[in-house]
Amino acid sequence: AQSVAQPEDQVNVAEGNPLTVKCTYSVSGNPYLFWYVQYPNRGLQFLLKYITGDNLVKGSYGFEAEFNKSQTSFHLKKPSALVSDSALYFCAVRDIRDGNNRLAFGKGNQVVVIP
Amino acid sequence: DSGVTQTPKHLITATGQRVTLRCSPRSGDLSVYWYQQSLDQGLQFLIQYYNGEERAKGNILERFSAQQFPDLHSELNLSSLELGDSALYFCASSVASFGTDTQYFGPGTRLTVL
Repeated sequence: AQSVAQPEDQVNVAEGNPLTVKCTYSVSGNPYLFWYVQYPNRGLQFLLKYITGDNLVKGSYGFEAEFNKSQTSFHLKKPSALVSDSALYFCAVRDIRDGNNRLAFGKGNQVVVIP
Repeated sequence: DSGVTQTPKHLITATGQRVTLRCSPRSGDLSVYWYQQSLDQGLQFLIQYYNGEERAKGNILERFSAQQFPDLHSELNLSSLELGDSALYFCASSVASFGTDTQYFGPGTRLTVL
């Protein structure tokens, strides 16, 4: 089955510093990878996705992600973190069982941006 | 705002009861997905409907059922509720059912079973 792993529980970063949230994947076939963010008491907001093509994917709110096939990783990055980026971040992969479009999520990473 | 709406926002009920969660997809989206988010299980896929038909089933209990209506809104029915069913239930929608489609999530329904 397709799966993703987010190895860290929490990422602490100072405001203005680069932010990286790690994700590794395990898939059979081509990976379709997604990042979502969840703010407190809110739903998941789509940030970006990798389907094919350029390994550097640009998304919403200044976020980008780098797809690395050899390392089976899809790390989320932001050059300069804001306090408002403090939230729960989820990596997800399309699970191709039954040929349908379910998402398999990682456990999530809590990001804390320190002023 | 994703354009996906869910009602109610909060639901508090007792064990053994039955509840219905409602979801309206984004305009033009044909697929609806239900996910459950709990502290111990994380985010888990429950079920998918596409244009009124069930497409995929995940870790959905037999006590749970869903349907998608002709106007494309969907309802998730949870019956014989147990304490462990307390969770945040999300609905998501996408244009079709291709792997490249982005799923857009609603704000969720927080279910508390007492």
